[in-house]
Amino acid sequence: QVTLKESGPALVRPTQTLTLTCTFSGFSLTTSGMRLSWIRQPPGKALEWLARIDWDDDKFYNPSLKTRLTISKDTSKKQVVLTMTNMDPVDTGTYYCTRLTGYGDFADWGQGAPVTVSS
Amino acid sequence: DIQLTQSPSSLSASVGDRVTITCRASQNIKNFLNWYQQKPGKAPILLIFAASTLQGGVPSRFSGSGFGTDFTLTISSLQPEDFATYYCQQSFSTPPEYTFGQGSRLEI
Repeated sequence: QVTLKESGPALVRPTQTLTLTCTFSGFSLTTSGMRLSWIRQPPGKALEWLARIDWDDDKFYNPSLKTRLTISKDTSKKQVVLTMTNMDPVDTGTYYCTRLTGYGDFADWGQGAPVTVSS
Repeated sequence: DIQLTQSPSSLSASVGDRVTITCRASQNIKNFLNWYQQKPGKAPILLIFAASTLQGGVPSRFSGSGFGTDFTLTISSLQPEDFATYYCQQSFSTPPEYTFGQGSRLEI
């Protein structure tokens, strides 16, 4: 059974860096074809894809946020980490860790981590 | 980037109704189109991938169709648990740049 769980600070000050951790089970990120992504959702708004990391350490970012994002993995700990620099109140929302299938659909989701950016 | 436009943005329906939601892509995405259901305070759930393939465990009253730029999600007979927001998502872009529609809210 695949499970994903996000963890990180619920409150971040403007200009600070957000670090979120996704801890997963039920699969290995060393398995060929395995991919994880982060997606966020501002309150009452649509979903926005942020970044993806693959089993072979390939990384892809949303072009509009690329300069602020870094995604990494620790396969031994079964974790994927997302950092987002220079946080702003518009970055407030719920951040999801997801597992992709080979077709590019987000088949499995964590419960989400709510993040508020406020001074 | 590829834009997805859903219509309607919101709709009201009754239990037992047949409902169709449309998703239009700004360019040809073949069948790289997926649908999700999201209820308040919950993570989205994958319903359909590759435009028309039902995800395991999803009731057969859900169906998807389309190719190229125009896609539809149909719920054949609404059940109380189907009232939610629905999103389409494309996975055609290379390098990957996944985008979602703005959502369609289905209300009683």
